[in-house]
Amino acid sequence: AQSVAQPEDQVNVAEGNPLTVKCTYSVSGNPYLFWYVQYPNRGLQFLLKYITGDNLVKGSYGFEAEFNKSQTSFHLKKPSALVSDSALYFCAVRFGGSGNTGKLIFGQGTTLQVKP
Amino acid sequence: DARVTQTPRHKVTEMGQEVTMRCQPILGHNTVFWYRQTMMQGLELLAYFRNRAPLDDSGMPKDRFSAEMPDATLATLKIQPSEPRDSAVYFCASGLLAGARNEQFFGPGTRLTVL
Repeated sequence: AQSVAQPEDQVNVAEGNPLTVKCTYSVSGNPYLFWYVQYPNRGLQFLLKYITGDNLVKGSYGFEAEFNKSQTSFHLKKPSALVSDSALYFCAVRFGGSGNTGKLIFGQGTTLQVKP
Repeated sequence: DARVTQTPRHKVTEMGQEVTMRCQPILGHNTVFWYRQTMMQGLELLAYFRNRAPLDDSGMPKDRFSAEMPDATLATLKIQPSEPRDSAVYFCASGLLAGARNEQFFGPGTRLTVL
């Protein structure tokens, strides 16, 4: 069965420090991986995606993510956290290949708290 | 700046009443998704459409929920009758399915409270 796991409900980091939000997946075939961010009382916003190619993907607001096929992970990272990065982050996966319907499988979400 | 719009943004109603939520997907997008978000369950996929045809509504309680796309510019999610446990934020998202590479774009959500 296809699934996504975000093992941490919350991540706390001090402003200026690097941050990592973890995501692991289980999907047959080639995965298409996504990160979304949700600010309070807002819809989800797309941050970045991995489709193919370079394992390190760069996205919006200085975020990046590294696809690791052997560890089936797609961790979100940022070298220097900002207080404004505090939000709820979702990892999502889609199975690629024929028969794909566009359906995304979302993780449970990780709350990132950046303290000044 | 194209975006998904949803109406109403907030809805408070009493148990047993009918609720209709509307979504206007981004022009040209051919997939539309309905999600429900609660603290307890997180983000749940209720239903989705491709080229206006329903592909999967297995996440939806069939006895009270219905989703339709009367035309390419409008998707609706209806609850009849509503119950307090339906209180949640309902999101619509749209996307362009092209080899599954493209991301979904989310609307701002409808916050539903059923008393």
